[in-house]
Amino acid sequence: EAAVTQSPRNKVTVTGGNVTLSCRQTNSHNYMYWYRQDTGHGLRLIHYSYGAGNLQIGDVPDGYKATRTTQEDFFLLLELASPSQTSLYFCASSTGGGQDTQYFGPGTRLLVL
Amino acid sequence: AQSVTQPDARVTVSEGASLQLRCKYSYSGTPYLFWYVQYPRQGLQLLLKYYSGDPVVQGVNGFEAEFSKSNSSFHLRKASVHWSDSAVYFCALSETGGYKVVFGSGTRLLVSP
Repeated sequence: EAAVTQSPRNKVTVTGGNVTLSCRQTNSHNYMYWYRQDTGHGLRLIHYSYGAGNLQIGDVPDGYKATRTTQEDFFLLLELASPSQTSLYFCASSTGGGQDTQYFGPGTRLLVL
Repeated sequence: AQSVTQPDARVTVSEGASLQLRCKYSYSGTPYLFWYVQYPRQGLQLLLKYYSGDPVVQGVNGFEAEFSKSNSSFHLRKASVHWSDSAVYFCALSETGGYKVVFGSGTRLLVSP
């Protein structure tokens, strides 16, 4: 069974604060993704990666950095958090590209005050 | 660019009734199409996916979807819903050879007793 974990599960920060969201997958998947979920928008892709050291820009990358340190670990960084980044963040992994099933983590709820 | 539209933000059905959740897509080629389900406080899970072959594809828990190229649609169906089917359902699309998945805005299903 695919396993994707995220930490923290909940996070509160202030405007201008620094936040790092962590994701780990134990499936030996090549691809990892960061999404944000907002009412009325569904899931929107922030960044993705197809291997350690690789980073690809998604559809809503502004204000976000990401880093894939190992096959297993993918981090999302908000260096100057803004209230518009209040959202539910999901990490996912898949074997190949878009045609393969994505396995999602449980999500991180971020509130920026 | 490809896109996915789920025209119904909320659907309410009675337990035991049949269900159809609508999904329309925009893509010039042959897409990979998915339905994912999100239960409360969880990440998304795959219900079914389609690329080619029989336009009616079976998924888990009695769900099925029908692909229509002429209508650019991929509607989800279930013959008899259970209260445990209450969740948010997402239709998604990936282009052939692509690395990204585009999600619709989701349909919240409420099954009433």
